[in-house]
Amino acid sequence: DVKVTQSSRYLVKRTGEKVFLECVQDMDHENMFWYRQDPGLGLRLIYFSYDVKMKEKGDIPEGYSVSREKKERFSLILESASTNQTSMYLCASCDRGSDTQYFGPGTRLTVL
Amino acid sequence: QQQVKQSPQSLIVQKGGISIINCAYENTAFDYFPWYQQFPGKGPALLIAIRPDVSEKKEGRFTISFNKSAKQFSLHIMDSQPGDSATYFCAASQRSGGYQKVTFGTGTKLQVIP
Repeated sequence: DVKVTQSSRYLVKRTGEKVFLECVQDMDHENMFWYRQDPGLGLRLIYFSYDVKMKEKGDIPEGYSVSREKKERFSLILESASTNQTSMYLCASCDRGSDTQYFGPGTRLTVL
Repeated sequence: QQQVKQSPQSLIVQKGGISIINCAYENTAFDYFPWYQQFPGKGPALLIAIRPDVSEKKEGRFTISFNKSAKQFSLHIMDSQPGDSATYFCAASQRSGGYQKVTFGTGTKLQVIP
């Protein structure tokens, strides 16, 4: 079974803090993704990575950056957290050429 | 810009009934249409998917109906059970380089009551 794990299930941070969300997958997938999930808006792609050190902006990259130093690990960084970044963050991975994305359980981030 | 429109936002169905969730898309370049199921506290997981060259796909109690000319597709859950209570996302994707760029619908929260 593919396993995608996220470092925290719940996180509370203060406005202006730097926040790191970590994601690890164990299936040697090339592609990894970060989404945010908000009620009534579905899942929106923030960034994705198709190889180590490679990244591409998704639909809503503003206020976020990412890092992929190792194939199995993909980090989402909020340089200066703001209250409008309070959300559920989902990491996903998939094999190159595959249509199926495998999701982690999510991190619910609250920015006060 | 919502490229995949999903309705209804929420749905309550009696046990044993049929649950129907509808989606519509605009981009004719989409070539893969998955449905994801998400239980509370979990990430979404692929439930069933269809390609535009077929009009229907059935897996157990779950069926996707696809209408290419109308650019619409729907999920039917037959004999709905309380264990089906979850949020369902339709999606549409197109190949972009080495990956499928997926656009998700806004989600439907399904509650199946005994």
